[in-house]
Amino acid sequence: EAGVAQSPRYKIIEKRQSVAFWCNPISGHATLYWYQQILGQGPKLLIQFQNNGVVDDSQLPKDRFSAERLKGVDSTLKIQPAKLEDSAVYLCASSLVRTGREAFFGQGTRLTVV
Amino acid sequence: QKEVEQDPGPLSVPEGAIVSLNCTYSNSAFQYFMWYRQYSRKGPELLMYTYSSGNKEDGRFTAQVDKSSKYISLFIRDSQPSDSATYLCAMSALEYGNKLVFGAGTILRVKS
Repeated sequence: EAGVAQSPRYKIIEKRQSVAFWCNPISGHATLYWYQQILGQGPKLLIQFQNNGVVDDSQLPKDRFSAERLKGVDSTLKIQPAKLEDSAVYLCASSLVRTGREAFFGQGTRLTVV
Repeated sequence: QKEVEQDPGPLSVPEGAIVSLNCTYSNSAFQYFMWYRQYSRKGPELLMYTYSSGNKEDGRFTAQVDKSSKYISLFIRDSQPSDSATYLCAMSALEYGNKLVFGAGTILRVKS
């Protein structure tokens, strides 16, 4: 079974620039999550999709972050404009069920904002 | 106060030792309790989850939940160098949409 695929693995941008991350979940997984993991902290949920609908985006900084999941499969997360404090690993995860307990994580995209 | 507290370590043990990793939490609504392992530059990997109080065993790993004390533990028996990783606890509650709330993680180093 192929895992959750994310790209790019690493990205370095200057503050105020924009950046986008891509995620391809495990085939058949209806639920997709984007997490932000700042160095030394646990992952924090940014947004959760059920198919192509948003279930929870309460912790997404909507003035600069946006996410979409077209056709209920792949997803992109965008930051525009980036701030220094956005430096983190952005993890995508997917699960068969909506509960999130048995989510499978991708390797993440490490973003550095300079 | 954070909802989930976890000692960041690092915890350094010799190979073969029994390891105890712990988390405390403040929200009594949490019902499901998970342990993830995260190797360097990798995503978290689910080790096991427990519902409510009690113990659960899977091979060398045992998870314990004490809801009365708001305290959960993960024990690793016969620890191996390959167990060296960051261990994250996470928990969820139905009334909060089952959103996972993670601890900061404990770095474990098993020396051969």
